[in-house]
Amino acid sequence: AQSVTQPDIHITVSEGASLELRCNYSYGATPYLFWYVQSPGQGLQLLLKYFSGDTLVQGIKGFEAEFKRSQSSFNLRKPSVHWSDAAEYFCAVEKGGNLIFGKGTKLSVKP
Amino acid sequence: EPEVTQTPSHQVTQMGQEVILRCVPISNHLYFYWYRQILGQKVEFLVSFYNNEISEKSEIFDDQFSVERPDGSNFTLKIRSTKLEDSAMYFCASSGQGGRSNQPQHFGDGTRLSIL
Repeated sequence: AQSVTQPDIHITVSEGASLELRCNYSYGATPYLFWYVQSPGQGLQLLLKYFSGDTLVQGIKGFEAEFKRSQSSFNLRKPSVHWSDAAEYFCAVEKGGNLIFGKGTKLSVKP
Repeated sequence: EPEVTQTPSHQVTQMGQEVILRCVPISNHLYFYWYRQILGQKVEFLVSFYNNEISEKSEIFDDQFSVERPDGSNFTLKIRSTKLEDSAMYFCASSGQGGRSNQPQHFGDGTRLSIL
């Protein structure tokens, strides 16, 4: 069955430090992959998506993610974290037009 | 940038009562979705809707749930007789195309449903 695993429930990084959030997926065909961000009390905002082509995709707010088929991973990265990046991040894979989400990783940023 | 809007932002309802959650998808989108997120848990798919009918639904979407597009702009989720376990954040989403396309789903800010 299709699934998404985000192994880290909560990550804390210092402002200005680099960030990598892990995502592993299980999907039989070529996956369509997404990262969404949810700030407290708000909805899900699309950060970036992978459909095909270049395995390194750029998103909004300086985020990027790399699709690695051999590792079934789609990790999210940012070279320098800002305090405003504190939020919950969800990885998702599309299945038949619907999204299957991971459990999310909460990011805290310390000054 | 066009947005998906949901009303109300917070709904408090007595157990057993009916509740209707409203969504206005992005105007030129054709595919509509409802998801829910129970506090502390992951976002779960409920139902997708296209061409005035349900395309797919999850096992969560039982007979107590229904969806409707009553006019050209609104997309509603009705829960007929609410239970305590229906308390969750409900997200509406829309997209211009269906699955395996290059158009992602855009989400609203959600309606927090609290069942007392």
